[in-house]
Amino acid sequence: VQLMESGGGAVQPGRSLRLSCAASGFTFSSYGMHWIRQAPGKGLEWLSAISYDGNTKYYADSVKGRFTISRDNSKNTLYLDVNSLRPEDTAIYYCAKAILAGGRDWFDPWGQGTLVTVSS
Amino acid sequence: DIQMTQSPSSLSASVGDRVTITCRASQGINNYLAWLQQKPGKAPKSLIYAASSLQSGVPSKFSGSGSGTDFTLTISSLQPEDFATYYCQQYNSYPPTFGQGTKVEIK
Repeated sequence: VQLMESGGGAVQPGRSLRLSCAASGFTFSSYGMHWIRQAPGKGLEWLSAISYDGNTKYYADSVKGRFTISRDNSKNTLYLDVNSLRPEDTAIYYCAKAILAGGRDWFDPWGQGTLVTVSS
Repeated sequence: DIQMTQSPSSLSASVGDRVTITCRASQGINNYLAWLQQKPGKAPKSLIYAASSLQSGVPSKFSGSGSGTDFTLTISSLQPEDFATYYCQQYNSYPPTFGQGTKVEIK
C-alpha cells in the first residue's frame, strides 16, 4: 500500500492549489480517504474525509467552504482543492487511507505529505 | 468537538525504561482510539487502534489500554528507535481529533 501526495508549493495569500494523492497497492475504490495537515512544529489537524464512492464528504469547520475533497476512482487518485489560501494554511498536507473497524474508521497508512507554504 | 489531552507533553527517558503516556477524551469515545508515532521529518505511523489492538508489524513492546475517556500507551523497554513524538487520536465521531502530542526524548 502506498500513498503519494503532490501539488504543494509556495503560493501567495488568496490563491488556490489542487493537492493530489496517488494510491497504489490496494483497491482504491473500496476505501474511504482522509486529508490531515500539520503546521510547522505543530500537531495534527484533520481536514476532510470522503467515502469510497465519493458520495459522502466531511469537512473540518476551519476549512469548510474553502477546501473541497474529491476522488477519481478510475485514476486511483484523491484530491483536495484548497482555495482562498491564508498564511495559517501553511502546513504539510497528508492523505491517509481509512480502515473501517467496528463501524468507525481510523487512518492507515499515511502518505509522506506535501508542503504548502502561503506567503506574500 | 471532542478534545483530546495528552500527558505529559514531553518526557526524558533512558534506553530500557518503561514509558507510559496518557490520553484523556473530553467525552466518552468507547474504544475508538488510535496511537500514532511520528519521527522528525516523517509521516505519522499507526501503532495501535481500537485502544489496545496492535497494528500489523508493530513490535509487542508497544501496548495500549483504556476505554471511555482514559487511555494509556506503554512502551515496555524504550529503544533508540522509539524516540519520537506520540499522538493519540479519537475516531468515535466527526471531526476526528488528535492529542497535542508527547515528545519522548533521550535522557
